[in-house]
Amino acid sequence: NAGVTQTPKFQVLKTGQSMTLQCAQDMNHEYMSWYRQDPGMGLRLIHYSVGAGITDQGEVPNGYNVSRSTTEDFPLRLLSAAPSQTSVYFCASSHRVGRSGVTEAFFGQGTRLTVV
Amino acid sequence: GESVGLHLPTLSVQEGDNSIINCAYSNSASDYFIWYKQESGKGPQFIIDIRSNMDKRQGQRVTVLLNKTVKHLSLQIAATQPGDSAVYFCAEITYNTDKLIFGTGTRLQVFP
Repeated sequence: NAGVTQTPKFQVLKTGQSMTLQCAQDMNHEYMSWYRQDPGMGLRLIHYSVGAGITDQGEVPNGYNVSRSTTEDFPLRLLSAAPSQTSVYFCASSHRVGRSGVTEAFFGQGTRLTVV
Repeated sequence: GESVGLHLPTLSVQEGDNSIINCAYSNSASDYFIWYKQESGKGPQFIIDIRSNMDKRQGQRVTVLLNKTVKHLSLQIAATQPGDSAVYFCAEITYNTDKLIFGTGTRLQVFP
């Protein structure tokens, strides 16, 4: 049982490059989400998903795309990286939060992204 | 708009003392609150949660208090230890949404 696995752990991109941050969980959680954390700041919600085939925008969705084709995986895509996207990205999963009951969210170890 | 914030960015306490970390929230429709601990270089870890129909909940060495009248949340850590040094975040979920929104965090420093 690995929990939430994020890859890569570190990445450097040039402005305009694209890449996909991977997130996988093996806990059969319905809910998955992506956050970014800037230095000395809290976590801001980028996108989230309440189940396979369903995604929605969080607080700061611009510049990011997501998809949820399976329960296990929730990749985050940067189509054209910008220096403002330099941050640490965290993926989280949990059983359904909000309307139908809540459980703790499990976080991955993070991906440190630098855009130059 | 919705926001969750913290009063104190840094809290320094002596080992063995009790710590109190505060959080203010602005959305009166929020119905679930969670405290997370984040150590350097790691992802947030769940500490304790509380629903809006409760005023207090206790865990091992931790207690969360919720005052809905003034929209205030606090995390009390008893007998603070060096291993408690970390950044603590409160987070909220509003009923009928699926968004877990975080506050900005408080850094707890424990000195001997």
